[in-house]
Parts: sequence; structure tokens; C-alpha cells
Amino acid sequence: GEDVEQSLFLSVREGDSSVINCTYTDSSSTYLYWYKQEPGAGLQLLTYIFSNMDMKQDQRLTVLLNKKDKHLSLRIADTQTGDSAIYFCAESIGGGKLIFGQGTELSVKP
Amino acid sequence: NAGVMQNPRHLVRRRGQEARLRCSPVKGHSHVYWYRQLPEEGLKFMVYLQKENIIDESGMPKERFSAEFPKEGPSILRIQQVVRGDSAAYFCASSPSDRSYEQYFGPGTRLTVT
Repeated sequence: GEDVEQSLFLSVREGDSSVINCTYTDSSSTYLYWYKQEPGAGLQLLTYIFSNMDMKQDQRLTVLLNKKDKHLSLRIADTQTGDSAIYFCAESIGGGKLIFGQGTELSVKP
Repeated sequence: NAGVMQNPRHLVRRRGQEARLRCSPVKGHSHVYWYRQLPEEGLKFMVYLQKENIIDESGMPKERFSAEFPKEGPSILRIQQVVRGDSAAYFCASSPSDRSYEQYFGPGTRLTVT
């Protein structure tokens, strides 16, 4: 079936690294995504990774994909208070539909 | 560049009324998707449309909900005879035809049914 799971909360100190984890069940995923949602706003596409890749780096963001374990992570280096938001993991299994996790609320303390 | 536009941003309807939500995709994008977010939940796919065609409506409730993306004008999500359980944030996303795996989201319409 199609299911994406994330832990609900993560709290870090400013300047530390944050690691947000996600697991998915559908082995036919083609792309996996990370979106950021600030309060009252829409979703901002942060990054995505094709399923045949292991890692993707984009400035402070590093995405790791373990396809064998169906595990995706997002690492944010030097986390800032402006990074406080809800982060959604999503998978695409083809055909345009994205399956979202329930979101991880990241709280960054000064 | 204008992103995905949605209006209204907030909509209040009484039970039994109709709600019309509009979405203008990024200029040049021909694929539109609608998602619903219930309070404190992730987004759930509703429908995927291309110009004048419904490609996948597997997430649409069988009754009262309909969507269209006409040749000209915005995409419309229509909810007839709204009930309290329809209260949610409705998000539209669009993607270009050559990179349909990149979905860019609008700010959402927050529907409240009283």
C-alpha cells in the first residue's frame, strides 16, 4: 500500500544540525520530496531526489535515500530560527499523485 | 514570476451552500493538482487535471465534489452542499508538462463551514 510516516516533532538549538526522517512503503516510488510549510502558508518545494540516487546536496540541505530500507532523511546544517516550520516528506509513484507524510514540526530554539 | 495563485484565501460557507475554489497555475504549466489538508494532518491527493481533461480523480469524494480545468481560465474545485467535515485547507499545485514530477503549490484556500 501507499503510506509515508514521519515523527511529529523535532526540537534543536540554533546552529546545530537537524535531521528529519521519513519512511515509506511503496517500493515503486520514482521521486521523493521534501516540502516546507510555514504557519498559514502553502508548501514550498525544498528539494527532491530521484529514486536511483543515494544522496543529494543543495547548500545547507542534504537528502539521503536508503532504498533498501525505504528511508529518506533531510539534514539541515547550521539550523536557524527561520527554519522553524513543518516539513513534509512525499513520494511519487507515477501518474502525478503525491503521497504525503503527516509532517514533522521543527522547532529551533535560540 | 508569479507562482500558483489561489482565491479566495479564506472562504466561509454555511452548511448546504456551495463553495468554489479557484486556482491559476504558474504561467506555462499545463498540469494542475488539488490536495486537501485537514487540521493537523498531511495533504491528501484529490484530483489531477490537464487542460480540459481529468487524468486521475481517485482521491475525490464520490458525491458533491467536482473539478475542472478549462481551456481558458483557472481550475475550479467545486463543493456542493457543504458540510462541517469539508472544513479544511485546499491546496492547488501545478507542474510543467516536461517536468511533471515538480509540483509547485499555491498558498491554499481555507474553507470554514459553519
